[in-house]
Amino acid sequence: AQSVTQLGSHVSVSEGALVLLRCNYSSSVPPYLFWYVQYPNQGLQLLLKYTTGATLVKGINGFEAEFKKSETSFHLTKPSAHMSDAAEYFCAVSTYDMRFGAGTRLTVKP
Amino acid sequence: EPEVTQTPSHQVTQMGQEVILRCVPISNHLYFYWYRQILGQKVEFLVSFYNNEISEKSEIFDDQFSVERPDGSNFTLKIRSTKLEDSAMYFCASRGTGVGGEQYFGPGTRLTVT
Repeated sequence: AQSVTQLGSHVSVSEGALVLLRCNYSSSVPPYLFWYVQYPNQGLQLLLKYTTGATLVKGINGFEAEFKKSETSFHLTKPSAHMSDAAEYFCAVSTYDMRFGAGTRLTVKP
Repeated sequence: EPEVTQTPSHQVTQMGQEVILRCVPISNHLYFYWYRQILGQKVEFLVSFYNNEISEKSEIFDDQFSVERPDGSNFTLKIRSTKLEDSAMYFCASRGTGVGGEQYFGPGTRLTVT
């Protein structure tokens, strides 16, 4: 069985501040992990993914995430938030099927 | 770049009516999925399909739902008798081979049941 927990349904940061979105997972087999972004009234866009190898993965729009097996975490970060980063972010874990977290809504204040 | 497509983009139907949501997965993909997202909520897994049969389904995917791959390109989700609570965004996804590979999502169909 696999599941994802996203801590914080809503995160608010100022423009230029660090973005940190938290994701913890559980999986009975080595997981593949993903972050997706969803803008209002749009579909899901892949930000980044971890499969194997380097535990720090870089994605689009300056985002990165680090896989920490000991902490069963895959937190998403961005050093400096931009107004255009405001969206819903979903963490997902996949073996044969994908399971999503509940999502974190990121608000960026000017 | 290949992409998953879905039609229609928006479907309005009356309660009790049957609807069929259509998806065209990426052509060389083997695994197909449907997900649902009720407005403002998380993305929920409905069903996965491989080798012309359902490989896994969630509690949401009850007898009112069915999936089919009627030809070599389309993948459909049928809701037999829609309920108000079926109103949601429905996403199709497809994946190539192997465990844990990236799923590619379509743009979704917004289903509104009145």
